Amino acid sequence: GENVEQHPSTLSVQEGDSAVIKCTYSDSASNYFPWYKQELGKGPQLIIDIRSNVGEKKDQRIAVTLNKTAKHFSLHITETQPEDSAVYFCAASWGQGGYQKVTFGTGTKLQVIP
Amino acid sequence: GAVVSQHPSWVICKSGTSVKIECRSLDFQATTMFWYRQFPKQSLMLMATSNEGSKATYEQGVEKDKFLINHASLTLSTLTVTSAHPEDSSFYICSVPGLAGGTDTQYFGPGTRLTVL
Repeated sequence: GENVEQHPSTLSVQEGDSAVIKCTYSDSASNYFPWYKQELGKGPQLIIDIRSNVGEKKDQRIAVTLNKTAKHFSLHITETQPEDSAVYFCAASWGQGGYQKVTFGTGTKLQVIP
Repeated sequence: GAVVSQHPSWVICKSGTSVKIECRSLDFQATTMFWYRQFPKQSLMLMATSNEGSKATYEQGVEKDKFLINHASLTLSTLTVTSAHPEDSSFYICSVPGLAGGTDTQYFGPGTRLTVL
């Protein structure tokens, strides 16, 4: 089955700096890579996603890059703000329609220091 | 995106009792829903896939007789933890497939915190 590794497990940055979280996956058949933000005591919230036919995607301060050959993808957050502090999960899956099983990474706790 | 609710948001029960958790898709019909479990400071682990009108599909290592899933309608799936024990204490989260901006993804509920004494 799919295995997703995520680094680092914790990340502290100064407000305004950039944060980068990296993930690798094992199953070359995976074609969908969402990123979720989870605040304490809440369910995960989708923040950005990318499909395997795209190398990069950006949405305001967040961006995701995908290297399908190397089987790794990264989340970039620029101009970090205190409200960005949360646990971030990368994930990988294969299929369409949201009906595919999603394998999550181990999570990164991001702390943005004011 | 899809709006998913869960009830209750938290529950405390005694060891040996059963607890039912509801997951509702509020704005569209869902023939499939997913149930995850998350232990403190850990990632989400898929427990089972809930299918409307048919039996749920359980992941390896998940006891189907302990975690009963009923997907009785297109908007409601329930997870019943039977004969709960302290090791079942966890954060249970459901998700619903949805369509967002042309890409398909899953939308997660707010989760249910179960504490078994």
